[in-house]
Amino acid sequence: AQSVTQLGSHVSVSEGALVLLRCNYSSSVPPYLFWYVQYPNQGLQLLLKYTTGATLVKGINGFEAEFKKSETSFHLTKPSAHMSDAAEYFCAVSITGTASKLTFGTGTRLQVTL
Amino acid sequence: NAGVMQNPRHLVRRRGQEARLRCSPMKGHSHVYWYRQLPEEGLKFMVYLQKENIIDESGMPKERFSAEFPKEGPSILRIQQVVRGDSAAYFCASSQNRDIRDGYTFGSGTRLTVV
Repeated sequence: AQSVTQLGSHVSVSEGALVLLRCNYSSSVPPYLFWYVQYPNQGLQLLLKYTTGATLVKGINGFEAEFKKSETSFHLTKPSAHMSDAAEYFCAVSITGTASKLTFGTGTRLQVTL
Repeated sequence: NAGVMQNPRHLVRRRGQEARLRCSPMKGHSHVYWYRQLPEEGLKFMVYLQKENIIDESGMPKERFSAEFPKEGPSILRIQQVVRGDSAAYFCASSQNRDIRDGYTFGSGTRLTVV
């Protein structure tokens, strides 16, 4: 079975500051890991994903995440926050090889202030 | 190429009525997934369907909920005799094949309110 824990249900940063959203996973086998973003009243949009290969993955809108197996983490970062980054962010995990059941974390709401 | 289309966007039902939520996957996608998002919670898996087949319904409540994905037409999530606790956002996602590595494409959701 797999699970995801997102630390911090709300994160507030100033515009231009570093964004760090934390995600830890639990999986008995090598996982596939995803970050999705949800803007108000919209569906989820894939930001980035880790499947195999390079552990530092880059996504859209300047976001990136690093898969750290030893820490079972997949934290999302962005060097400089923009007002348009305000949204809810979900980390998700799937066990390698399965075709269904992305398991989502409870989400982190990012607020960006002036 | 249209994305995943869900309708209606908003649905209000009185307790005891039936709710029917529709999902048209992306063109070329034959795998459909339904998720439910309760207020202040993450998405919870409900059911995974391929054309005319239910592959995994382990997340579906045992009663009142059903899903189908017919050979022609959209996937339908049906909730009979709705209760207040069914109020949530229901998201549909689709994929081209069984390979999870590509992730899913999500629709904009149907927000069900039971009054």
